[in-house]
Amino acid sequence: DAGVIQSPRHEVTEMGQEVTLRCKPISGHNSLFWYRQTMMRGLELLIYFNNNVPIDDSGMPEDRFSAKMPNASFSTLKIQPSEPRDSAVYFCASTQTGVGKLFFGSGTQLSVL
Amino acid sequence: DQQVKQNSPSLSVQEGRISILNCDYTNSMFDYFLWYKKYPAEGPTFLISISSIKDKNEDGRFTVFLNKSAKHLSLHIVPSQPGDSAVYFCAASGQAGTALIFGKGTTLSVSS
Repeated sequence: DAGVIQSPRHEVTEMGQEVTLRCKPISGHNSLFWYRQTMMRGLELLIYFNNNVPIDDSGMPEDRFSAKMPNASFSTLKIQPSEPRDSAVYFCASTQTGVGKLFFGSGTQLSVL
Repeated sequence: DQQVKQNSPSLSVQEGRISILNCDYTNSMFDYFLWYKKYPAEGPTFLISISSIKDKNEDGRFTVFLNKSAKHLSLHIVPSQPGDSAVYFCAASGQAGTALIFGKGTTLSVSS
C-alpha cells in the first residue's frame, strides 16, 4: 500500500516567493495533519483536518500560511510570501478518526534564501 | 509552553546495553501516548504506544512505561542495536484520532 505522499521532497526558493507543498493521504484515512520540524521547536502541529474540514489551525504561524483540503485525497500548504525563518521540514500525516497513531510522509525540506 | 517535554537532546549507549528515553507531560487530559522513531531524510514512524489505563506495554525489545501520577513515561530498548540509532519522539493526545503533541526529540546513538 502506498503511504502518505508529499511533494516536492526539496524546495529552494527566494524570500518573497510563494511556496506550495502538497500531500496525498493514505486512501481511507479521513484525518490529515500538517507538522513542521525545526531544531528549536521540534515537531509542531500547524493544522489538521477531519473529513476535509479544518478543525484546528491554531498552530499556523501567521496569515502568510494557509492550508486547504479540497477533497479526501489531496491537501496543500501554502506560504505567501515566504521568509527565511520558514525554512524547515514540513510533514504531512494521516489517520482514521479513532485510531491513535499517525502515518507520516517523507516530508518536504524547505529552504528560503 | 511545551506540553510534552523530552529534556535529554541526546543519548549514547553501547550495543547490547539498555537505552532509556524519558518524556514528561503537563496536560492531565492526555490519555494516549506514543513513541515515534525518525531516521534522517525520512518521516517519523510509529514505534509503540500506551493508553492511560495501562502502566506498561511491551513489543519485542521495546517497552514503554507510564507513571500517571508523575506525568512521566519512558521507553526502554533492550538490547540496544546500532540500527536503533535515530531520533525518538514522544507524543501525546487527549483523544484517539486527534492531533498528536510531540516533544522535541532525543537523538539516540548506539555504538558497536
